[in-house]
Parts: sequence; C-alpha cells; structure tokens
Amino acid sequence: ETGVTQTPRHLVMGMTNKKSLKCEQHLGHNAMYWYKQSAKKPLELMFVYSLEERVENNSVPSRFSPECPNSSHLFLHLHTLQPEDSALYLCASSMVTNEKLFFGSGTQLSVL
Amino acid sequence: EDQVTQSPEALRLQEGESSSLNCSYTVSGLRGLFWYRQDPGKGPEFLFTLYSAGEEKEKERLKATLTKKESFLHITAPKPEDSATYLCAVQAGAGANNLFFGTGTRLTVIP
Repeated sequence: ETGVTQTPRHLVMGMTNKKSLKCEQHLGHNAMYWYKQSAKKPLELMFVYSLEERVENNSVPSRFSPECPNSSHLFLHLHTLQPEDSALYLCASSMVTNEKLFFGSGTQLSVL
Repeated sequence: EDQVTQSPEALRLQEGESSSLNCSYTVSGLRGLFWYRQDPGKGPEFLFTLYSAGEEKEKERLKATLTKKESFLHITAPKPEDSATYLCAVQAGAGANNLFFGTGTRLTVIP
C-alpha cells in the first residue's frame, strides 16, 4: 500500500462520543499534518509533527487532541465535539515541512 | 496580514475553451507558491511549486506562472476530466504554520 491512508472515511458521532481518526503514511516522510476543510473556507492547519518541531494552531479547541507515536502514524482524538466541528479532516505528509504535501482522502465528520 | 485570494470562485468552460485561474497573495517574504488539484471526495493532489517571479511550470494542459503579486494557472483546451477544484497555497517564511491556502476555484468542463 502506498501514499497516505486515512480511516475511517466517514464518521457520524454524537456530542458526547469519543472517537479517533487514524492516518498512516508509507512515503518515508518526516512531517505529518492535520488540516480541517470546511465549505468555502481555506484549509485550516490544526497540528504539525516534524523532526524539528510540533506546531499547534492556537485556535484549535482542546476537544481535538493529536498523537504521533512515530513518523508514519498520526492520530486525532476527538471528544465532546460540537456541531460546528463537522467538516472534512485531512491528513498530509511531506519530506520537508510545507514542501509538496501529500494528502489522504480525508475523514468526513458529522457531529449530531 | 498574510492573505491568499483565488478567483473566480467557480468557472464553467466548454471543452476546448482555454482560460486562466488566478491566485493573488499578500505575504511578506514568499518562499514558495503551490498549486493543488482536489477531486470530490478526495484530498488535494500536488501539481506545481513556483519559487520566484518569472518562473513557469507545465504539466499536460496546465501551465502555472508566477509574478510578485499573483500566480495564474492556465488551462489550454480543457477536457471534462480537468473538472476539479484547484487550490493555491503560499508559504510565507519558515516554520510549519506559515503555509496559507486560498479557498479554491471550482472548475467544470462541459463536453
């Protein structure tokens, strides 16, 4: 399997649920990202893990919690989400930070 | 404030009708400008990187150009399979939180 793989592809959850999104990259890259994509809005960087740094967008609520156990895997833990968190969540990786990102197909999240 | 603006928001073309998409930016210290293509239900797919004014890149029917204020993605004789949303992103300065995306242009090519 090659590229960036995200699971699940679709997720419906209630506001009191806890779930996790998973991302795996098979490209040997050194940086991994979580982005949020909402309709008619620019991609919003949530978190970045790289060899040099861990970057967190200060506007991301604490109900989103990232985990990066190694350079190939990235998780996004979700708890007590709000309906406005419904969006497409994209994982990406790159060899060098911000150079030529490779994206997964995303998880379409709906919060009821 | 660093900003990236794409126009038009949506574009409908007849097959074979050439046109251009625009990405204008206001950033301090451009380090790179990127074009991506995004199909429905998929993540963005990398197309080009441009680093300095005057630079051009080509791939099949697509050609990207860069000036000090904007970039154009020229589509020559488009086909229906070119229908997608095209995203522009600008890296302003070093660091992982200095990559800014536009909202995209949704291109539809009608047979």
